Parts: sequence; structure tokens; C-alpha cells
Amino acid sequence: DQQVKQNSPSLSVQEGRISILNCDYTNSMFDYFLWYKKYPAEGPTFLISISSIKDKNEDGRFTVFLNKSAKHLSLHIVPSQPGDSAVYFCAARGNAGNMLTFGGGTRLMVKP
Amino acid sequence: GAVVSQHPSWVICKSGTSVKIECRSLDFQATTMFWYRQFPKQSLMLMATSNEGSKATYEQGVEKDKFLINHASLTLSTLTVTSAHPEDSSFYICSAGPVGVHGYTFGSGTRLTVV
Repeated sequence: DQQVKQNSPSLSVQEGRISILNCDYTNSMFDYFLWYKKYPAEGPTFLISISSIKDKNEDGRFTVFLNKSAKHLSLHIVPSQPGDSAVYFCAARGNAGNMLTFGGGTRLMVKP
Repeated sequence: GAVVSQHPSWVICKSGTSVKIECRSLDFQATTMFWYRQFPKQSLMLMATSNEGSKATYEQGVEKDKFLINHASLTLSTLTVTSAHPEDSSFYICSAGPVGVHGYTFGSGTRLTVV
């Protein structure tokens, strides 16, 4: 049973526009959520995170929104840049430990 | 800070041989290291959690005798794929911590190809 899901395997966006990546989870015990960016043959790089006590966290062009009642979070990138093209993973952490549960990833392509 | 070095970055081995992958925390002490595996176009799947000085905890379906994990020091954990077979070909990634606010830093991964 997938506890963290990213239902869109890919997303294509024009440079300068907004990219919205979505993530849903089922485990209500998750209390911390993270977004990672990953290039092929490299390890994930941390992007931004949000605690379950917040509903929004912003860092430059990246904003993460959390809707606890819907068990849904999203990552907004604006404006999108070609260098943002990568696979984005959302991950969730429970309060019982530091183990991360990853979603399946969304491949973002930002076209010039 | 919080750099995790993983070696080798890629390796090709013959079926039946063993391969060792190293994960080092360069500028911090890692009491916990996680080992993940990623198949093409799939998510990162946790294989095992290792705490320094104790036996690793393996996820369901991961053979502990096949994937040997050693975490003998606070800066080094190793994953040995024993008697590798082509189906073990995958991308293996470690993460180490806890460190900083976000907890864990990932290594750069190891691409294993078994021929």
C-alpha cells in the first residue's frame, strides 16, 4: 500500500510559468513533509520542507502548501526555469522515527 | 556542511560476485544511515536502517543475507551485495544523519550493473 503518492508521473511547463507538483498521503501519523529534486544517477537534493503544524512554507521561487484535512501537499515553482527540469519526489516522515517514505516522483520538464 | 560521500558511483560486476558500496559522512557523525534502492522510473525504496554499533533493521522483503550492512563507525556504513545477480542491478543510495534541521543528507548514489 503506497502511503505517499504522486499521481502525475510527468509535467511539462513553459519557462516563466508556474509549475505545480502534487502529492497525496494516507498516513495521518506523518508530521513532516519534504520535497527533493533528483537528477539521473545522482542522489536526491533537499529542496523545501513543511511541518504538519503549518500550511505554507516559502523559500524563494519554491512554495510548499499543506492541506492536512485533504492529506495533500503541493510544490509551486514560480517562475519555472529550464534548470528546474528534474524528477521531484515528495517524502513524508512519521513522528516515530526519521525514516522517510517517498512518493513515486514527478518528472518536470521546463521548456525554454 | 553535511556532506555524504558514496563510492563507487558506478560499478559493473559479473553475476555471482560481491560488491561493496561505501557511504561516508565527511563532516559530521552519523548515528543512523539509511540504504535505499531505486529501479528505473520508480521511487526510492527503503531497504534498511542501520544504527552505529548495532545490527541493521531490514524492510520487509529485503534479504539480510544478500544485502549485508555494516555500520561500524559514526562516519562509515557499507552495503555489500553478495552473490549479485542481474536482477540486483539498480541504483543504490544512502542517507546519513541526523544533521541540521532537515535530518538527513543523501549520498550521490551508486549505479550497480550485474552482467
